[in-house]
Amino acid sequence: NAGVTQTPKFQVLKTGQSMTLQCAQDMNHNSMYWYRQDPGMGLRLIYYSASEGTTDKGEVPNGYNVSRLNKREFSLRLESAAPSQTSVYFCASHTSGRVSGELFFGEGSRLTVL
Amino acid sequence: QKEVEQDPGPLSVPEGAIVSLNCTYSNSAFQYFMWYRQYSRKGPELLMYTYSSGNKEDGRFTAQVDKSSKYISLFIRDSQPSDSATYLCAMTYDQTGANNLFFGTGTRLTVIP
Repeated sequence: NAGVTQTPKFQVLKTGQSMTLQCAQDMNHNSMYWYRQDPGMGLRLIYYSASEGTTDKGEVPNGYNVSRLNKREFSLRLESAAPSQTSVYFCASHTSGRVSGELFFGEGSRLTVL
Repeated sequence: QKEVEQDPGPLSVPEGAIVSLNCTYSNSAFQYFMWYRQYSRKGPELLMYTYSSGNKEDGRFTAQVDKSSKYISLFIRDSQPSDSATYLCAMTYDQTGANNLFFGTGTRLTVIP
């Protein structure tokens, strides 16, 4: 039972490069989320998708785009990476019928932008 | 002012000690309170969930909510080295989804054998 799988686990980019973080869940969850985690800032929501076909901005969406490819997959794209986007990125999923705060997280993708 | 405040620690205790982890919050509408545990280089996982005020116990862990003081706590009894992790509090005011979930910054705990 894989749960939430993120790729890649590590990435180093130069300023201005683009990349896509991939996320897939095998729990048939409706909602998926992208967070970033920075020291002293905690987890901040970037974008979320409440259901297949919908996406919405979270607290810190600037510089990012997302795609909900299907019910399983939710990708995060950095079009022109900046050093301020150096962070650990977590994908999470949630399903209705469970308490609203019960998120299932992936193991994270560590991104460094030089 | 942040919605949720949490002392970042770090907190270091000997094995067998009782640990108290705390968060304060400003939004009186919060009704659902959670504690997540995050091991180093892993994603957070839900540890405890509490609705409204009161206590909830699960093995060595007790979650406590005091809505009048806007204060929540997680107690760990007989702490073990395997409890060494970062503990994140989280809270929300509705059941519509996790997009309204507010996290604390986390407290790093080390339990020394």
